[in-house]
Amino acid sequence: GENVEQHPSTLSVQEGDSAVIKCTYSDSASNYFPWYKQELGKRPQLIIDIRSNVGEKKDQRIAVTLNKTAKHFSLHITETQPEDSAVYFCAASRAGANNLFFGTGTRLTVIP
Amino acid sequence: KAGVTQTPRYLIKTRGQQVTLSCSPISGHRSVSWYQQTPGQGLQFLFEYFSETQRNKGNFPGRFSGRQFSNSRSEMNVSTLELGDSALYLCASSIEDGRQETQYFGPGTRLLVL
Repeated sequence: GENVEQHPSTLSVQEGDSAVIKCTYSDSASNYFPWYKQELGKRPQLIIDIRSNVGEKKDQRIAVTLNKTAKHFSLHITETQPEDSAVYFCAASRAGANNLFFGTGTRLTVIP
Repeated sequence: KAGVTQTPRYLIKTRGQQVTLSCSPISGHRSVSWYQQTPGQGLQFLFEYFSETQRNKGNFPGRFSGRQFSNSRSEMNVSTLELGDSALYLCASSIEDGRQETQYFGPGTRLLVL
């Protein structure tokens, strides 16, 4: 089955700096890669996703890049704000399979 | 549209008991997936239902089962509870229109097994 690894497990940045979280996956058939943000006691919320026919996608301060050859994808958050503090999960699946394989999460702390 | 809802939100059971959790998807969504979230194992896929049929299954023992009704609402059942079943159980729904894969999560049911 699919195996998703995520690094780092914790990340602290100063407000206004950028944050980068990296994930690798093992199943070359995976072609859908969402990122979820989970605040303490809340449900995971999708912040951005990318499909394998696209190498990069951006939504305001958030961007995701995908390297299918190397089987890795990354989340980039620019101009971080304290409200970005949360646990971020990457995931991978085959499109339409609806069975997401999650990374172990990155606890991001943005220091005001 | 209302989001994904789950009931109950909190549950305390003792070892050996069984439990049933409920998930109501976003209106119009036909697929419901279930996940277990624990500090040690993270988020793990349990199973997915579409059109009242289990379409995908994760690596969990047979004590974990589920079903889906004609209105797309889903239930999962855990029999003979073990201490290790203490977790946050999340369901997620997706529209399943062949074009979008986004899964929207419910708030979860926090299960404590004593």
